[in-house]
Amino acid sequence: GAVVSQHPSRVICKSGTSVKIECRSLDFQATTMFWYRQFPKKSLMLMATSNEGSKATYEQGVEKDKFLINHASLTLSTLTVTSAHPEDSSFYICSAQPRDRGGNTGELFFGEGSRLTVL
Amino acid sequence: GNSVTQMEGPVTLSEEAFLTINCTYTATGYPSLFWYVQYPGEGLQLLLKATKADDKGSNKGFEATYRKETTSFHLEKGSVQVSDSAVYFCALRGPSAMGGGYNKLIFGAGTRLAVHP
Repeated sequence: GAVVSQHPSRVICKSGTSVKIECRSLDFQATTMFWYRQFPKKSLMLMATSNEGSKATYEQGVEKDKFLINHASLTLSTLTVTSAHPEDSSFYICSAQPRDRGGNTGELFFGEGSRLTVL
Repeated sequence: GNSVTQMEGPVTLSEEAFLTINCTYTATGYPSLFWYVQYPGEGLQLLLKATKADDKGSNKGFEATYRKETTSFHLEKGSVQVSDSAVYFCALRGPSAMGGGYNKLIFGAGTRLAVHP
């Protein structure tokens, strides 16, 4: 099956520092990846859509300068939380769709998530 | 815009009980509908899907039927097991007003299911 891997799975950082989270599709190519944020006992909130070779599309209310997304290749997207603050503490999840499967009816494959704690 | 509403949890059942988790949606056009499951400590996995009206998705004893007339996609299982304890998310992907590209997967709030022996 299609596997998506996120790294790191857990990260603790000091307020004001930047943290990078990687999302890799291990056995398929993904022209589009999606970044979600999940609050405790809440649903997944879509933050942005990451397109290989072009700028990410951010959802309303998500600060693009705060959450930098880079989709440098067909198997890697990164989310960088810049100048992190305690309110950025959350569970960040990426997902990807194989480029050759399903179109808009296809399923997305999800990473295991990355828990960020900002002290 | 597109949205998904699902019943609040937690849902607590005894093993072998019947399960229903309600899900309704609002969307333009004809979305595809999904149920995802998140087991403790794991990432989301697709449980089942339906891409057009009256389709029934099924997997691992779970079923859901795409009902356009009631805009619903309720999840059911006849006999739950302890291993079914997880959080279940209803989701849709629908036509974008902007057009083009892959459309967003919109999730409901999630329903936590706890099954006891």
